[in-house]
Amino acid sequence: DSGVTQTPKHLITATGQRVTLRCSPRSGDLSVYWYQQSLDQGLQFLIQYYNGEERAKGNILERFSAQQFPDLHSELNLSSLELGDSALYFCASSVSRYSPLHFGNGTRLTVT
Amino acid sequence: TQLLEQSPQFLSIQEGENLTVYCNSSSVFSSLQWYRQEPGEGPVLLVTVVTGGEVKKLKRLTFQFGDARKDSSLHITAAQPGDTGLYLCAGARGDKIIFGKGTRLHILP
Repeated sequence: DSGVTQTPKHLITATGQRVTLRCSPRSGDLSVYWYQQSLDQGLQFLIQYYNGEERAKGNILERFSAQQFPDLHSELNLSSLELGDSALYFCASSVSRYSPLHFGNGTRLTVT
Repeated sequence: TQLLEQSPQFLSIQEGENLTVYCNSSSVFSSLQWYRQEPGEGPVLLVTVVTGGEVKKLKRLTFQFGDARKDSSLHITAAQPGDTGLYLCAGARGDKIIFGKGTRLHILP
């Protein structure tokens, strides 16, 4: 058990809808990372927060947004969903910059 | 263009055989990490290599960081079915941790 909790585990929704994925980091970890994993693209970095502030952005679409709250949990919001957004979404946390990442077990999003 | 290239993409070998998988980049990294991911789970850290030329061993797994800190390899001795999984290398680019696409390893009993 990594100590990182992601909910929900599975999500099935229709195109055009909006969903929110939730992540609780490991106790004591201030950094939260979001990744999208698909078979053809591998694990793609989306965004990173450190202690509530956005630190780095990857290939995150404008339809996607995220935030980290004062209690350090994070949410990833995906809107105007398209079929191609179907993927596994992982959250990871770490103590500090360059520290090893601890991953949750992901949210499997299926857009129909 | 993938910053970290992993090869081979897929590898299926018999139990007891040895194997090596690679992680290559044209860029220098201050450190590289190796993770293993099993179906339905998130990646789990195996090792971090920091110094050029460094070799780290984890039971039957040997990790090496290239002298120029641009590449790394993972060698498994006497592979076992429990070694089956997706092996990912990762490196830091500023505040981003970037992953290769991984090597999907299948050990046949």
